[in-house]
Amino acid sequence: RKEVEQDPGPFNVPEGATVAFNCTYSNSASQSFFWYRQDCRKEPKLLMSVYSSGNEDGRFTAQLNRASQYISLLIRDSKLSDSATYLCVLKLRGTYKYIFGTGTRLKVLA
Amino acid sequence: DGGITQSPKYLFRKEGQNVTLSCEQNLNHDAMYWYRQDPGQGLRLIYYSQIVNDFQKGDIAEGYSVSREKKESFPLTVTSAQKNPTAFYLCASSLSRGFDQPQHFGDGTRLSIL
Repeated sequence: RKEVEQDPGPFNVPEGATVAFNCTYSNSASQSFFWYRQDCRKEPKLLMSVYSSGNEDGRFTAQLNRASQYISLLIRDSKLSDSATYLCVLKLRGTYKYIFGTGTRLKVLA
Repeated sequence: DGGITQSPKYLFRKEGQNVTLSCEQNLNHDAMYWYRQDPGQGLRLIYYSQIVNDFQKGDIAEGYSVSREKKESFPLTVTSAQKNPTAFYLCASSLSRGFDQPQHFGDGTRLSIL
């Protein structure tokens, strides 16, 4: 089983739609969680950290469910500029190691 | 502005040649990393370094070498032993072993074989 699993998509949604992605992980020693955004042929950029109580940044909401070992990202009122690949990343407790999912591709359509 | 600088942006390697990719950061981060990304694939860890003069192999270290002589610098050498070097190489850094510290990335180097 992969340490981090994401649905590769693509998720094709119209502008203004709400879309959600999940990411499951297998290592219970996972301590910290992040969502990154990667545009085509560019480097990943930090979108948001994911906190145990859930957190929101504008149109983006991240949730963590430790019992079921998944994190989620909700995007409200999708914009064309949200089209990208969204990477789920976790950091193992007490280490410098980060584990990356292979990403979920989002296409927002006009 | 603080950040991570990778150079060159594009690099071409001839058969049998070693090439070195540069990565410099001015974020005062302790840890630095090298990843490889192939088209349509996720990031795979090549090497990482927690402190100066120390580094650890990642999942795909064969055919690569690194050094960490300064906190700010973590160059990656792609040796002739790496038979399939064509990929997008990403350097990253993180602050410390502390809770909730994300990685920050440079803008990458694209390596191709001539």
